[in-house]
Amino acid sequence: DAKTTQPNSMESNEEEPVHLPCNHSTISGTDYIHWYRQLPSQGPEYVIHGLTSNVNNRMASLAIAEDRKSSTLILHRATLRDAAVYYCILRDKPLTSGSRLTFGEGTQLTVNP
Amino acid sequence: DTAVSQTPKYLVTQMGNDKSIKCEQNLGHDTMYWYKQDSKKFLKIMFSYNNKELIINETVPNRFSPKSPDKAHLNLHINSLELGDSAVYFCASSRLGPSGNTIYFGEGSWLTVV
Repeated sequence: DAKTTQPNSMESNEEEPVHLPCNHSTISGTDYIHWYRQLPSQGPEYVIHGLTSNVNNRMASLAIAEDRKSSTLILHRATLRDAAVYYCILRDKPLTSGSRLTFGEGTQLTVNP
Repeated sequence: DTAVSQTPKYLVTQMGNDKSIKCEQNLGHDTMYWYKQDSKKFLKIMFSYNNKELIINETVPNRFSPKSPDKAHLNLHINSLELGDSAVYFCASSRLGPSGNTIYFGEGSWLTVV
């Protein structure tokens, strides 16, 4: 799997937007960009994914650079419940036999009240 | 209803014991996984089963043996537990194919070997 690079930690204030960056300079043409997050003492949960175009869902937005070598997860209004480790992961889509999620170190997001 | 449920949530046991962690998913998925998260918080895949067949088997000691009695269940049995087996074990499931793009995780099983 192609590697991703994320900052170890970021801080935000409650109700402010948060931009979580991810670099993936070796991304291939078939790699989708997936974001998962892991809240304290819970399993990872899916946040969003995309290929080339920016994507929006109820949880977040994903902005993908034109050359696809980087992307940014955007939380429009951070809440205390958004404090978690955010993982940026590249993978083929659709899931095929043998597919796996390879987790890096992720970004620990702290949200201040 | 919990989509991916695993039991027990917490397990403390002595070295040398044999223990099992059970996992069930009610999402109708055809693929299930076991991941291990160590004390440094790294998440690594251990096994993956598709339709009860083993398709991913990472470098895991033979003491770890997964068993999938049906598509909805994937249990993890660990023999002769060692201190280094202490970790959080996550079960997960997904659907393969064009509509499958999300992996759903359970809440984890905290294993402590003393």
